[in-house]
Amino acid sequence: AQSVTQLDSHVSVSEGTPVLLRCNYSSSYSPSLFWYVQHPNKGLQLLLKYTSAATLVKGINGFEAEFKKSETSFHLTKPSAHMSDAAEYFCVVSDQPGGFKTIFGAGTRLFVKA
Amino acid sequence: DSGVTQTPKHLITATGQRVTLRCSPRSGDLSVYWYQQSLDQGLQFLIQYYNGEERAKGNILERFSAQQFPDLHSELNLSSLELGDSALYFCASSVAEHSNYGYTFGSGTRLTVV
Repeated sequence: AQSVTQLDSHVSVSEGTPVLLRCNYSSSYSPSLFWYVQHPNKGLQLLLKYTSAATLVKGINGFEAEFKKSETSFHLTKPSAHMSDAAEYFCVVSDQPGGFKTIFGAGTRLFVKA
Repeated sequence: DSGVTQTPKHLITATGQRVTLRCSPRSGDLSVYWYQQSLDQGLQFLIQYYNGEERAKGNILERFSAQQFPDLHSELNLSSLELGDSALYFCASSVAEHSNYGYTFGSGTRLTVV
């Protein structure tokens, strides 16, 4: 069975400092992994995805994530936070084969202080 | 604009009533997914359709039903509404039947049951 755990429900950073949002996953197969962002009163937007190609994945708005199979992690990072990054972030695992399921993490709320 | 259109954006209705939420997927996408997002339950997968046929079922109540029409738009019907059904309902779409390519989300319908 697959699962995804976002290790922090809330993260607070100052503008201009690095962002780290942590995600661990569990999967019996080779998973696809995603990060989505949700701004207040908006739908979810795909930030980036890992689908068994390069382990370091670059996404939109300067975000990137590294797939580490040995640590079963897919942490999201950004070198320098911007006020507009304040939002909720969801880590998602999609398992395969034979019955694709997509499991959303509980979300991490990112606060950015001026 | 993500290309996924959901209507209405807001809906207020009384307990016991029935409502219909509508979703038009992004052009070219054949899969439609419905999600419920509430503060206490997070993002819950309800149901998926692919090219008109039901493909996967999640935590969808028997009072809820959905369908996908030949033009690929989808409707989610919620009946005998209860206060606890108040939530954001998201529709997402993808090209493929399976979910390892990522989704495009609509901006959601906020349902308030009073």
